[in-house]
Amino acid sequence: ILNVEQSPQSLHVQEGDSTNFTCSFPSSNFYALHWYRWETAKSPEALFVMTLNGDEKKKGRISATLNTKEGYSYLYIKGSQPEDSATYLCAFSDFQKLVFGTGTRLLVSP
Amino acid sequence: EPEVTQTPSHQVTQMGQEVILRCVPISNHLYFYWYRQILGQKVEFLVSFYNNEISEKSEIFDDQFSVERPDGSNFTLKIRSTKLEDSAMYFCASRATGTTNEKLFFGSGTQLSVL
Repeated sequence: ILNVEQSPQSLHVQEGDSTNFTCSFPSSNFYALHWYRWETAKSPEALFVMTLNGDEKKKGRISATLNTKEGYSYLYIKGSQPEDSATYLCAFSDFQKLVFGTGTRLLVSP
Repeated sequence: EPEVTQTPSHQVTQMGQEVILRCVPISNHLYFYWYRQILGQKVEFLVSFYNNEISEKSEIFDDQFSVERPDGSNFTLKIRSTKLEDSAMYFCASRATGTTNEKLFFGSGTQLSVL
């Protein structure tokens, strides 16, 4: 059974704070690692898909890194804004299907 | 930007009743998926569908579940006789190719409540 873990489960920060979360996944049979952002009452939306060890991706104030050898990925948000409040899901792929973590719920207070 | 649409957004049903959840994937996508999330748990894979047939299904997707693409646009999930434990948010997703290094496009989900 593939196990994908995310930490922390939830996080409450103040506007302007920078924050990061972790996704841990199996280090064998790695194919891709996805990050999705899921706002309440909306569709989960893809942020990044990473495939190579050492990959770093950036989209505005959000960035992600990937370490496939040790099986983890970090998602960073610089200068959090209230509109960043959402659940951030990571998903590991072993060629066949995506296995999701439980997500990190982020709340950014003004 | 094109989007995946799902209807209804909420569905309440009695245990033992049949429900059909509907999805319209992005028009040029060929691979379709259903996922679900029970409150407080992980998003779980149910089934993938390509070329008018199931390409993979999970242990959750038993004989009570079926999928269909009745026309060129809709993709449906049917639960034949709902159980209390089927209560969850059901997501449809699609992508243009079957490779898992391509991102999924999700619908906004159908919240199914079985009473």
